[in-house]
Amino acid sequence: DIQMTQSPSSLSASVGDRVTITCRASQSISSYLNWYQQKPGKAPKLLIYAASNLQSGVPSRFSGSGSGTYFTLTISSLQPEDFATYYCQQSYNAPWTFGQGTKVEIK
Amino acid sequence: QVTLKESGPVLVKPTETLTLTCTVSGFSLSNARMGVSWIRQPPGKALEWLAHIFSNDEKSYRTSLKSRLTISKDTSKSQVVLTMTNMDPVDTATYYCARMFGNSQGNWFDRWGQGTLVTVSS
Repeated sequence: DIQMTQSPSSLSASVGDRVTITCRASQSISSYLNWYQQKPGKAPKLLIYAASNLQSGVPSRFSGSGSGTYFTLTISSLQPEDFATYYCQQSYNAPWTFGQGTKVEIK
Repeated sequence: QVTLKESGPVLVKPTETLTLTCTVSGFSLSNARMGVSWIRQPPGKALEWLAHIFSNDEKSYRTSLKSRLTISKDTSKSQVVLTMTNMDPVDTATYYCARMFGNSQGNWFDRWGQGTLVTVSS
């Protein structure tokens, strides 16, 4: 199975900060990498698909990049509603796997 | 409008079998671009993918739980069913079903159910 490792596990940031979360795959997954946002008590929400494509309705301050084994999710200017936990997920092959999550907290 | 809704018991006893149903609307389970997965989340922990069923009825399972899981679908009822045998307190979690959409760029979970909390306790 492909292992997904996110870093950091948590971070503290202020409104307006630029935030970057990384995700590494245990083998090359081309661009088959998706990002989700989850708020407490809610289902995850798709943010980015295929490494760099913004899901419809997601603000443009979110962006994704990378290919192969290294990927990043960037929030260009953190907003109050962005405080949440973010997960990467590979869809290169089944079994699909998620990263362990990165919790973005208010500084 | 695409929706997914999980249903099933909120409490199961250790060693019992859990059966969860995901009822979908707004799309067909026979659509070649779409499949449905079950994903769980223990309290305070990360998402764990469990099982997936493709439109052609092909199935895939989490390696560590493969012996305990069965996924199936009834296209006419728009339902996907997950059974997990020999439940243990460590299986206490919120269980989600999610639609996986696919095209030439890949596959992703674009729609999720609200989730259902299942507690395993005697």
